[in-house]
Amino acid sequence: DVKVTQSSRYLVKRTGEKVFLECVQDMDHENMFWYRQDPGLGLRLIYFSYDVKMKEKGDIPEGYSVSREKKERFSLILESASTNQTSMYLCASSLISDTQYFGPGTRLTVL
Amino acid sequence: DQQVKQNSPSLSVQEGRISILNCDYTNSMFDYFLWYKKYPAEGPTFLISISSIKDKNEDGRFTVFLNKSAKHLSLHIVPSQPGDSAVYFCAASQINEKLTFGTGTRLTIIP
Repeated sequence: DVKVTQSSRYLVKRTGEKVFLECVQDMDHENMFWYRQDPGLGLRLIYFSYDVKMKEKGDIPEGYSVSREKKERFSLILESASTNQTSMYLCASSLISDTQYFGPGTRLTVL
Repeated sequence: DQQVKQNSPSLSVQEGRISILNCDYTNSMFDYFLWYKKYPAEGPTFLISISSIKDKNEDGRFTVFLNKSAKHLSLHIVPSQPGDSAVYFCAASQINEKLTFGTGTRLTIIP
């Protein structure tokens, strides 16, 4: 059974803070993804990674960066959090060309 | 440019009846389609998929239909149950490419 975990379910940060969201998967998946979900906008891809130390920009990478030092771990970094980054953040993983499995999500509020 | 569209933000269906959720896409290169189900404060869970070489795929109460000429897919749930109340996202991709998600349809099953 695939398990994708995210470090926090709920997070409240202040504008300008640096924010780290961690994601870990236990199925040896090559691919990992970070999305944000906003009402009326669906799931939008921020960044993804096909391998360790490899990253690709998604559709909305501005204001975000990522790190993948180990195969099972993919981190999303908000260098200087802003109120428009208040959102639900979802991590997913998959084998190559296969179904993506999602973590439970992190509800981030930036005040 | 929204390549995957779910034009109905919400849908209400009586328990026991059929629920039909629709999805349209514009990119004729898409060859793999998926439906995900999402409960509040949880990550999306994979429901069912279909590749472009098929026009129908069935899994228990869930059936996905693909009409390539119309660039349209639909998810049928029969019979609908209260636990089916959730937000449903369709997604599409080309082989070895990232998923593109629709904006979601909130399904409410009325007891």
